Amino acid sequence: SQQGEEDPQALSIQEGENATMNCSYKTSINNLQWYRQNSGRGLVHLILIRSNEREKHSGRLRVTLDTSKKSSSLLITASRAADTASYFCATDYNNFNKFYFGSGTKLNVKP
Amino acid sequence: SQTIHQWPATLVQPVGSPLSLECTVEGTSNPNLYWYRQAAGRGLQLLFYSVGIGQISSEVPQNLSASRPQDRQFILSSKKLLLSDSGFYLCASEYFNTEAFFGQGTRLTVV
Repeated sequence: SQQGEEDPQALSIQEGENATMNCSYKTSINNLQWYRQNSGRGLVHLILIRSNEREKHSGRLRVTLDTSKKSSSLLITASRAADTASYFCATDYNNFNKFYFGSGTKLNVKP
Repeated sequence: SQTIHQWPATLVQPVGSPLSLECTVEGTSNPNLYWYRQAAGRGLQLLFYSVGIGQISSEVPQNLSASRPQDRQFILSSKKLLLSDSGFYLCASEYFNTEAFFGQGTRLTVV
């Protein structure tokens, strides 16, 4: 399978704490994206990081990319109960018009 | 930005019955279109993708087919549903290797 893999599979934290999720993938990519899915809904795009970038920020989100290790991490700072959702990474694999998603991290933020 | 319309939201079908799920896109022309399936609590499996009218690529052998009769219309079909076709089906649109926009999904239960 060309799908990436996130870890941990599940993460439970208290409101206000930081949450870190990791994604590993298998081959070269043009970019890597992170998405969020609320239960039973479609996915919402959070952030895109290109293969020549190492770090990117968007509000309380910080994404890093290490192409030598074929891995990425998503950090959510000062988490809120509303951040409770599943988070997925998606990779494009060079020259292919398709996105492969990992298995996701289920984040539970307790109020 | 793109808006993805996907219907129906839920569907219960008997084994052996046909299936037709439709997805339409508002926004940019000539997007790349995708059908994904998500098993409960799992990641997204890429089923089909299309880079243009009549151009369909299948990712995995299965009981399903896809068609793109118009630029912004993507249809997922089956002639005879199997129990294993149950799942959450998501349509997505993406343009020029940037973020993907998702519909709200169809939860299909084959009984």
